[in-house]
Formats: sequence, C-alpha cells, structure tokens
Amino acid sequence: AQTVTQSQPEMSVQEAETVTLSCTYDTSESDYYLFWYKQPPSRQMILVIRQEAYKQQNATENRFSVNFQKAAKSFSLKISDSQLGDAAMYFCAYRRMEYGNKLVFGAGTILRVKS
Amino acid sequence: DAMVIQNPRYQVTQFGKPVTLSCSQTLNHNVMYWYQQKSSQAPKLLFHYYDKDFNNEADTPDNFQSRRPNTSFCFLDIRSPGLGDTAMYLCATSRNRVEQYFGPGTRLTVT
Repeated sequence: AQTVTQSQPEMSVQEAETVTLSCTYDTSESDYYLFWYKQPPSRQMILVIRQEAYKQQNATENRFSVNFQKAAKSFSLKISDSQLGDAAMYFCAYRRMEYGNKLVFGAGTILRVKS
Repeated sequence: DAMVIQNPRYQVTQFGKPVTLSCSQTLNHNVMYWYQQKSSQAPKLLFHYYDKDFNNEADTPDNFQSRRPNTSFCFLDIRSPGLGDTAMYLCATSRNRVEQYFGPGTRLTVT
C-alpha cells in the first residue's frame, strides 16, 4: 500500500524568505501523480501544485516549485518570497492508480510565516 | 465561477440525532468524494461516487451513508451521530482522474 510521510510537523519562515517542505512516499507503481494541497486555518483546501511521475521536469507555479526525485521517492515543496498568506497546513498527497483516483495524504506540515 | 459548494458551513446536532450534509458542484465532474477531517489531521476518505457507482471505504462506519441523486448533488447522512463524529466534513470532486477540487467543508459538532 502506498504511504506518504511528511516528517516536519511544523515549519517557520520569515516573510520574503524561502522555505522547503519535505515529503517522501512509498509505492511500487511507476506512473502516478503527486500533489501539494494548502489548507489555511478554517478555510478551503486548495491545490497548490501537481507533478506527473513520468515527467522529469519539476513543476512550478509562480512562487511554488517542487523538487521531484523519483528514484528517492521524494517530493519537496519550495516556497519562494514567502508571504503572510502562505501560512497554512500543507498536505502532500499521492494519487493511487485505481478506480476513483483516491488520494493518500501525508500527516501535514503547519507553516508559520513571521513578519 | 465553477465551484464546489457545501451546506451548511456549520452544523450542531445532538448525540443520536440524524443529520444530513449537502454538497453541490457546478464543475460537471463525474466523481464526488466525502472526507472526514478531524482537528490537525489529514482528511480521511469515507466513500466516493464514480458516476452513479458508490464506493465505500472498508473502515467507514455503517452510521455514515451517502446519496447522489444526480451529477451535481451529493449528500452525507449520519444516522446516529456520536461525539466522535465531531469533525470537518469535506466534499471533493474530480473529472479527469487527476486533481480533486475541494469544497469549503461543513464543520459538524455533536453535543
């Protein structure tokens, strides 16, 4: 069974600086998708970025980028020029290759942004 | 804007009193999911509909039921809520088997 591990329960970053959130996963599948979701306090979970395993190029969305290391089964999220609005719980998720594309979530990392 | 809508946003119910949460979507997605999320934890999938086909997770209590009368709507029924069912309930949708789009959630409190 696939598992997703986020080893950092909490992280802090100074406004305008860069922070990296870690995620590792375990799978025997060769083709899959990985996601980072952001959930601000008492607010909606939104998709930040996705990575397709068959693509070697790391995904980038504005200030958010990933470092996808397929052999190492690592999928970290880098947030550049951190803003106060980036403060949230971040979940790493793996999409299972089966009916209904069920997601396997990590435990989450709380990101605090200091002004 | 296309979106996932959940009603109500907050619900308080008494122990054992049935409650229904609703989810609607304007995305025309064929897959709809219900998750339970307890404080500071990851969402836990309860069940999902792929078109009209209902798929229950093995560890979802029988107390939780769902209905999907049409593509746009899906309901979560909790027949006899217990105190342990206090949680955020998230609805999500998917069309292309890749991304899931989440609604804002319903925060349920059982007293």
